[in-house]
Amino acid sequence: DVKVTQSSRYLVKRTGEKVFLECVQDMDHENMFWYRQDPGLGLRLIYFSYDVKMKEKGDIPEGYSVSREKKERFSLILESASTNQTSMYLCASSLAGIGNTIYFGEGSWLTVV
Amino acid sequence: GENVEQHPSTLSVQEGDSAVIKCTYSDSASNYFPWYKQELGKGPQLIIDIRSNVGEKKDQRIAVTLNKTAKHFSLHITETQPEDSAVYFCAASRGRDSSYKLIFGSGTRLLVRP
Repeated sequence: DVKVTQSSRYLVKRTGEKVFLECVQDMDHENMFWYRQDPGLGLRLIYFSYDVKMKEKGDIPEGYSVSREKKERFSLILESASTNQTSMYLCASSLAGIGNTIYFGEGSWLTVV
Repeated sequence: GENVEQHPSTLSVQEGDSAVIKCTYSDSASNYFPWYKQELGKGPQLIIDIRSNVGEKKDQRIAVTLNKTAKHFSLHITETQPEDSAVYFCAASRGRDSSYKLIFGSGTRLLVRP
C-alpha cells in the first residue's frame, strides 16, 4: 500500500513563527503536492513538485514555500505564520504521467494563535 | 479562472436509499474526473474516476456519469450504508493531460441514517 506520512498531525504555533510541515512517501512517486483544506472551499493547491528540487506554484502560494531535497520528502514552510493560515494541510503524491492516482496523507491540523 | 462547483453541500439519506452528488466544471479541456472520499480524521481517498472518452463507469455500488457537452459529472451511490457517511469531493483536471493538477469541488457531507 502507498503510504504518505505527515509527521505532525496537530500543531499550535504563534503568529510570526516559522513552521515546517514534513511529508514522506514510500512509493518512489515523482509528484508531490501540498494542499490546504478549509470548510466550504474544498482542497486548494499550494505547491507542486515533479522532481527533486523542482517546484511549481499552485493556486495559493503566498506566504508559503517548499523544499524537496530528496525524492521521498516534501516540506511545506510557513516563513512567518499568520492566523489566516490556520487550516488543515494535506500532503499527497502520485506517479508521473496522465491519470495516475493521487494519494493523500492524513493531514496536519495547524492552529496559529 | 477554472473552477468546479459541487452540490449539494450536505446530503442526508436513509440507509438503502441512493445518493447523488453533482459537479460542474468550467474548463472544456478537462479530461480526467476523479472522486474522493474523506472519512473523519483521514485524508481523501480515491473511490472512482472517469476520463472524457467514457460516459459512465461503475464499480459495485458506485457509478460516475459524465456529460461533456454540459460540462457536468455526477457520483451515484446505490444501496447506501452507514459506512458511506463521509465527505465526498469531485475534481477535474486542469486542461488536457494534466491529471496531476486537479481543481477540487467544495465537498459534500453525506450522512446515511441507519
